[in-house]
Amino acid sequence: SQELEQSPQSLIVQEGKNLTINCTSSKTLYGLYWYKQKYGEGLIFLMMLQKGGEEKSHEKITAKLDEKKQQSSLHITASQPSHAGIYLCGADVGGTSYGKLTFGQGTILTVHP
Amino acid sequence: NAGVTQTPKFQVLKTGQSMTLQCAQDMNHNSMYWYRQDPGMGLRLIYYSASEGTTDKGEVPNGYNVSRLNKREFSLRLESAAPSQTSVYFCASSADRPNQPQHFGDGTRLSIL
Repeated sequence: SQELEQSPQSLIVQEGKNLTINCTSSKTLYGLYWYKQKYGEGLIFLMMLQKGGEEKSHEKITAKLDEKKQQSSLHITASQPSHAGIYLCGADVGGTSYGKLTFGQGTILTVHP
Repeated sequence: NAGVTQTPKFQVLKTGQSMTLQCAQDMNHNSMYWYRQDPGMGLRLIYYSASEGTTDKGEVPNGYNVSRLNKREFSLRLESAAPSQTSVYFCASSADRPNQPQHFGDGTRLSIL
């Protein structure tokens, strides 16, 4: 079983719609990272959350870490075709060795123009 | 800026052949990682290196060996390739301070027939 579960596994939306991707762990998350991956390319770092209740935004993407530090959400407002790709969350779920991350299985986002 | 460079980008091998995947980073990072990405399973850590001269096993090390040649380079070797090792391989690096994101290469797409 995955230590980090992402939902949904895939998402198809019409351009302009809002959407949310979730990343859930049964353990405390010591540092939660969101990445985006386009087909055939590497992972691009989006943002990192550390503190319970923390929220960060970059352009139309907002990420939150809940107070218990066991779930994070990634919200895209007014989606565009350029948002399409695979979104992955990664986290230190052990809190004992920074640098090593566990990743979720990814969420495939398709945005129809 | 080059960042993390992986070679080759694509490779097809026959079962039993050996090969080495190369990775180099120019960000003066101490920590480097090798992952494999398979559909529906996200990224799984194969090996990592916290500093030059040290390597440690990750989640799925069987069938692989690594060498941290110097601070810049971290190679992954398949001694006797098996079809189960068909995957996309990513190298990453990070600074060895808490809560630093990993920076990824563009990946090597490896098919084993």
